[in-house]
Amino acid sequence: RKEVEQDPGPFNVPEGATVAFNCTYSNSASQSFFWYRQDCRKEPKLLMSVYSSGNEDGRFTAQLNRASQYISLLIRDSKLSDSATYLCVASAGTALIFGKGTTLSVSS
Amino acid sequence: NAGVTQTPKFQVLKTGQSMTLQCAQDMNHNSMYWYRQDPGMGLRLIYYSASEGTTDKGEVPNGYNVSRLNKREFSLRLESAAPSQTSVYFCASSRNSGRATGELFFGEGSRLTVL
Repeated sequence: RKEVEQDPGPFNVPEGATVAFNCTYSNSASQSFFWYRQDCRKEPKLLMSVYSSGNEDGRFTAQLNRASQYISLLIRDSKLSDSATYLCVASAGTALIFGKGTTLSVSS
Repeated sequence: NAGVTQTPKFQVLKTGQSMTLQCAQDMNHNSMYWYRQDPGMGLRLIYYSASEGTTDKGEVPNGYNVSRLNKREFSLRLESAAPSQTSVYFCASSRNSGRATGELFFGEGSRLTVL
């Protein structure tokens, strides 16, 4: 069973829209959670860590629900430059496990 | 600041050939990782090294070997390449692993095709 599951999308939204991505993880012992961003044919880069209390970084808000083993990412006021694949990541033992990613396409 | 450097960036092999992907990081990180990324499969962990002198299998280790040469370098070897190993390979490093794992820093990737 895949440890981190995401809706693959694609999500096609207009500029200025609000979009939410969801992710579930199966390992109840996971302690660390992240969202990474990957542009086409590039390496993944950290977007933000996800904390139990929820956290915000500009237009991006991440939430963690440990009881439901659920992580979310909310993007407000979408920009063309937000077009990318967003990877949900959870720790598993001494390594990190990546979801397959959710593709976002923002159009003008 | 180079970060994580992978070589080669592109490689074409014939079935049965061997090759080694090289990875080096200059951030004094303890942990290093090799992932492969295939369409529709996402990133899958091949091997990782939590600290110098240790290596452990990830999700998909079959057909690969690794060497943590020193704190900076972590190589991935394909002893007898197969078409199923056609993929994009990413090396990554982090300051720590496990509960203390912070940000992973990735190299630019190595695109391998096995004919």
